[in-house]
Amino acid sequence: SQQGEEDPQALSIQEGENATMNCSYKTSINNLQWYRQNSGRGLVHLILIRSNEREKHSGRLRVTLDTSKKSSSLLITASRAADTASYFCATALYTGGFKTIFGAGTRLFVKA
Amino acid sequence: NAGVTQTPKFQVLKTGQSMTLQCAQDMNHNSMYWYRQDPGMGLRLIYYSASEGTTDKGEVPNGYNVSRLNKREFSLRLESAAPSQTSVYFCASSEASAGAMELYEQYFGPGTRLTVT
Repeated sequence: SQQGEEDPQALSIQEGENATMNCSYKTSINNLQWYRQNSGRGLVHLILIRSNEREKHSGRLRVTLDTSKKSSSLLITASRAADTASYFCATALYTGGFKTIFGAGTRLFVKA
Repeated sequence: NAGVTQTPKFQVLKTGQSMTLQCAQDMNHNSMYWYRQDPGMGLRLIYYSASEGTTDKGEVPNGYNVSRLNKREFSLRLESAAPSQTSVYFCASSEASAGAMELYEQYFGPGTRLTVT
């Protein structure tokens, strides 16, 4: 089963509102990453948060990590229509090499 | 820099046919990955290569083989395609620190859309 699970599965908001997506995982991690995928395209890396960090910011993105609850959240502030995309969290298990695991994603739709 | 390139972009196969998906990266990354993405789903790891000369199974390796030809190239082969392998295939590469046991960000190619009839 996949380690990263996002919720909600889909989110529809108005432009200017904030969007929050959550991710849960099952085992210990060194870091957790968030990616974005526009329809029909490859994934693009957004932000990486390490296990010893609780919060990280990048522009309009804010990521939190709670290792005791094995969960992370991605907040996009002041959303724009161009933020419409799918968002995935990813973790990695080290087994001699890094076995990466992605969640099923949150599909965000921002209405203009 | 082209980043990660994949060929072909689209492919239609008949059941039982074989094909090889090609991937190349020009970022001098040690690690490379093959994923498949089914409609409305996240990515599932098929195979990965931690470094040149090594490959390991991911979550869904059955029906696939891989070759890490050199540091730049990592190919995925379907020996006898089945309709269940209809999917979008993504290749990715990254750096990693085995000492720190930390995986860094992955760079993805544009994907290959494969249909098996």
